[in-house]
Amino acid sequence: GAVVSQHPSRVICKSGTSVKIECRSLDFQATTMFWYRQFPKKSLMLMATSNEGSKATYEQGVEKDKFLINHASLTLSTLTVTSAHPEDSSFYICSPCRADNNEQYFGPGTRLTVT
Amino acid sequence: AQKITQTQPGMFVQEKEAVTLDCTYDTSDPSYGLFWYKQPSSGEMIFLIYQGSYDQQNATEGRYSLNFQKARKSANLVISASQLGDSAMYFCAMREFSGGSNYKLTFGKGTLLTVNP
Repeated sequence: GAVVSQHPSRVICKSGTSVKIECRSLDFQATTMFWYRQFPKKSLMLMATSNEGSKATYEQGVEKDKFLINHASLTLSTLTVTSAHPEDSSFYICSPCRADNNEQYFGPGTRLTVT
Repeated sequence: AQKITQTQPGMFVQEKEAVTLDCTYDTSDPSYGLFWYKQPSSGEMIFLIYQGSYDQQNATEGRYSLNFQKARKSANLVISASQLGDSAMYFCAMREFSGGSNYKLTFGKGTLLTVNP
């Protein structure tokens, strides 16, 4: 199966700071990247969709200036949570869509805690 | 309207017995795919099984089978011979293949399955 990594796996930060989460597809190229957020005991909610080299498309209610997505290459996408607040504490999961067959895979997730 | 509905927030099953997790969906797209994922407490999303809207037969993968009833728009997951390691959250998801949706997956709210020894 395809390998997807996310870094960091866990991060604790103080309110007001920014946190960058990296997502890499290690053995395939991903033209499309989905970023999801999951609150405890809840479902995965799509935050945004990005295509390599293009601006991300954000779902309704997701602030694009707060959640900055960069998809600069076919193997790397980053999500930056800017000026984090405690309500941003969540589990963030990236999901690259493989270029050659459109299959979607999931990263292991990043647990963000904002104090 | 919700696109994916999972009506069972929690389910209990005895070890070695079978269990059915319900999923209904809503789409006007003739071409779509239905997925089931398992999410243990570690958080990783584990793909279990896939059913395409044009597939004639129900999908099966080992102990997992998908009871696909297209007219009723249901795609229930059946786990046979439950094991303690099956205890996890289970998500049903749908991918629509037309309408410029970028093939994004839409998830249901999930069902927490507990397997009792």
